Amino acid sequence: LAKTTQPISMDSYEGQEVNITCSHNNIATNDYITWYQQFPSQGPRFIIQGYKTKVTNEVASLFIPADRKSSTLSLPRVSLSDTAVYYCLVGEIYSSASKIIFGSGTRLSIRP
Amino acid sequence: NAGVTQTPKFRVLKTGQSMTLLCAQDMNHEYMYWYRQDPGMGLRLIHYSVGEGTTAKGEVPDGYNVSRLKKQNFLLGLESAAPSQTSVYFCASSYFLAVDQYFGAGTRLSVL
Repeated sequence: LAKTTQPISMDSYEGQEVNITCSHNNIATNDYITWYQQFPSQGPRFIIQGYKTKVTNEVASLFIPADRKSSTLSLPRVSLSDTAVYYCLVGEIYSSASKIIFGSGTRLSIRP
Repeated sequence: NAGVTQTPKFRVLKTGQSMTLLCAQDMNHEYMYWYRQDPGMGLRLIHYSVGEGTTAKGEVPDGYNVSRLKKQNFLLGLESAAPSQTSVYFCASSYFLAVDQYFGAGTRLSVL
């Protein structure tokens, strides 16, 4: 199973771009990278998923280098409402849910 | 369209008691999951289901049983609750296996 390593916490200010990096040195060929956001007292919410290069949607971008041993979630122009815990998951999709591993996540705090 | 609904939201049990947590989804998703989240930790997969009438073990299945008699419902049972099962339980569902999971609001369980 590919283990992920993320910073425990990060701080930033409103309007800034925030980049959260996740390390996954032993990622397997069939593994995808998925990011979830979790607010207090709520279940996680899917943000973005990718396999390689760059993926962008309406809320975030995901950058994955060619060796795929790390990935970076980029949140443009954050606001106070982006304060949450962000989880990076690495594992096979479509084939085995038993390989879903949530790490401890990164606690992001946004200040005015 | 309620998404994923979990009942109850809160429960206190005494050691040795049994209970069932109910998860219902109205998105016609094939796949459903039960996770537990301990304080300051990420989510850990307990059991999952790839369709009506099927169940499979996740990362931490011991002490729990599940059933998926109807496509829209996924039940998590604790036959003899233990203090170590004090946690927040999240149910999720998805259209594809382990992709873009939709989570419920959680059930906070305390076992005394």
